[in-house]
Amino acid sequence: AQKITQTQPGMFVQEKEAVTLDCTYDTSDPSYGLFWYKQPSSGEMIFLIYQGSYDQQNATEGRYSLNFQKARKSANLVISASQLGDSAMYFCAMRGGYNTDKLIFGTGTRLQVFP
Amino acid sequence: NAGVTQTPKFQVLKTGQSMTLQCAQDMNHEYMSWYRQDPGMGLRLIHYSVGAGITDQGEVPNGYNVSRSTTEDFPLRLLSAAPSQTSVYFCASSQQQRPGELFFGEGSRLTVL
Repeated sequence: AQKITQTQPGMFVQEKEAVTLDCTYDTSDPSYGLFWYKQPSSGEMIFLIYQGSYDQQNATEGRYSLNFQKARKSANLVISASQLGDSAMYFCAMRGGYNTDKLIFGTGTRLQVFP
Repeated sequence: NAGVTQTPKFQVLKTGQSMTLQCAQDMNHEYMSWYRQDPGMGLRLIHYSVGAGITDQGEVPNGYNVSRSTTEDFPLRLLSAAPSQTSVYFCASSQQQRPGELFFGEGSRLTVL
């Protein structure tokens, strides 16, 4: 069975600092995808970044990077130069296989950025 | 620039009533799905579709029905509402070429009394 674990219910970071949000996963599929989504207090879900299981390099999207350690089954999100607008819930998710958009989500981490 | 549109945004039902949550997307995405979000549990997949006429169950399908007669629309039906179905419901879509990169609707908050 597939599983996503986010062990940090909440994190604090000072503005302009970097922060790492942890995510570990478990799957027996050799092909899978890992995703991070942001949910601001307004409630919408926003796709941030994607990492495929066969990708050799860590994914990056602007200030977001995904620290993918396949042997450790971890897919941590790194946000550099935090901004007040980064305060939100962050969800890690996994897709098993390729031709499907069925995602399993973790329970989320609430990030609060303070001035 | 609509993206994924869900209606209604809020709904209160009595136990045993039925209703339909509407979802429409204008991006010509092949894949559509419904998730529910409960406090402390993240999002859980209810039903999904890989194209018109094709639907399948997700992790928590009981008490819900879906159909996909067109590429654009993917309604979710609650057959006989129960208090356990009180939740926030999200409809999402994605391109076949980028599965899992979901575009979400704004969510529908449902309360069952």
